[in-house]
Amino acid sequence: DADVTQTPRNRITKTGKRIMLECSQTKGHDRMYWYRQDPGLGLRLIYYSFDVKDINKGEISDGYSVSRQAQAKFSLSLESAIPNQTALYFCATSSFGTGGSYNEQFFGPGTRLTVL
Amino acid sequence: AQSVSQHNHHVILSEAASLELGCNYSYGGTVNLFWYVQYPGQHLQLLLKYFSGDPLVKGIKGFEAEFIKSKFSFNLRKPSVQWSDTAEYFCAVNENFNKFYFGSGTKLNVKP
Repeated sequence: DADVTQTPRNRITKTGKRIMLECSQTKGHDRMYWYRQDPGLGLRLIYYSFDVKDINKGEISDGYSVSRQAQAKFSLSLESAIPNQTALYFCATSSFGTGGSYNEQFFGPGTRLTVL
Repeated sequence: AQSVSQHNHHVILSEAASLELGCNYSYGGTVNLFWYVQYPGQHLQLLLKYFSGDPLVKGIKGFEAEFIKSKFSFNLRKPSVQWSDTAEYFCAVNENFNKFYFGSGTKLNVKP
């Protein structure tokens, strides 16, 4: 969905490096999420934010941090990357309100991160 | 916390075969239910969703799903699959309009 963009799309880095993944959306949604996808494990929630001042840990937040710079921007940082953080990372957005698209999530194209 | 179970991790079918993918969730309160599809190399896209009303939900590309509250299930069906349906399918549950929980996914491989 072109309304949710992620940069970079691919990144190879070394153990110990700090990495930032960025997500931007033009959908006007107030809620944003970061997930990681690993084969056989589905999507696991890292962090989520229901508005600029509201940030919450997901089920696997250790080793990660986030920043909600604006309603449209939500960045994920790996403070000191390690090999088991090699995964596909997805950003998603949703809105809370009335209407047919109430609460549905829209996903970005993903960032494939490899930590050597 | 919510848990979402997808019973089949890998399904192989021939074209024109019927498909049913199972999904069960644990939360007994207010839930919104979704099926997403991820084609190879792509991001997740919504197939269909259930919020309320008719428990039989029709989505895109001929897919449908049935919400059975008593069984905590939301199984995905398609009467006749095509090669282009080869993808990974994820069931997701949103409880009380809060977080989303995803199943581990089912990889569908349709042989031409």
